[in-house]
Amino acid sequence: KAGVTQTPRYLIKTRGQQVTLSCSPISGHRSVSWYQQTPGQGLQFLFEYFSETQRNKGNFPGRFSGRQFSNSRSEMNVSTLELGDSALYLCASSLGAGQAYFGAGTRLSVL
Amino acid sequence: GIQVEQSPPDLILQEGANSTLRCNFSDSVNNLQWFHQNPWGQLINLFYIPSGTKQNGRLSATTVATERYSLLYISSSQTTDSGVYFCAVVGNAGNMLTFGGGTRLMVKP
Repeated sequence: KAGVTQTPRYLIKTRGQQVTLSCSPISGHRSVSWYQQTPGQGLQFLFEYFSETQRNKGNFPGRFSGRQFSNSRSEMNVSTLELGDSALYLCASSLGAGQAYFGAGTRLSVL
Repeated sequence: GIQVEQSPPDLILQEGANSTLRCNFSDSVNNLQWFHQNPWGQLINLFYIPSGTKQNGRLSATTVATERYSLLYISSSQTTDSGVYFCAVVGNAGNMLTFGGGTRLMVKP
């Protein structure tokens, strides 16, 4: 079956703009989590959605938000982009707990 | 929150050598996974191993939950094993992975 699909793969934005990233989980998986990877901070948890509800949230400013749709697809949004938001954004899906499977990521560059 | 430490941070091997990567965690865990990050950034699942021992080809892993550590063994290393290996755990405070800092492995021909 298909894996986790993230779109787009690459994005270039300028400071102050906003961006929306998309994640389609493995069929049947109801949990979608988002992570940010930067050289300085490593891999950090952003938030998790389960059955359209945010179940857990990491320590990120309110400019980072997300949502999950009834088909379990998830989007995350970053408003008022800053240079420090340049990162690889990874999405993971799971049944609800247990093993997580990651997508290929979206690489965001903020100029 | 839970802390995860990986060692060594960097490792250089000759092709054919064996290696052991270690992951220490600070509290009890419900989930522990090992990943290999490929050059394009994707995290490839190696093992889901909250406890016990598993083997998959040249790779094996052992988690001793009571002592709060996990080990990843790579035998007869190949150049394609190069990359960054991450250990990640889920603690008792929700379904989110906390990652270690990774071990960067370089296998030379």
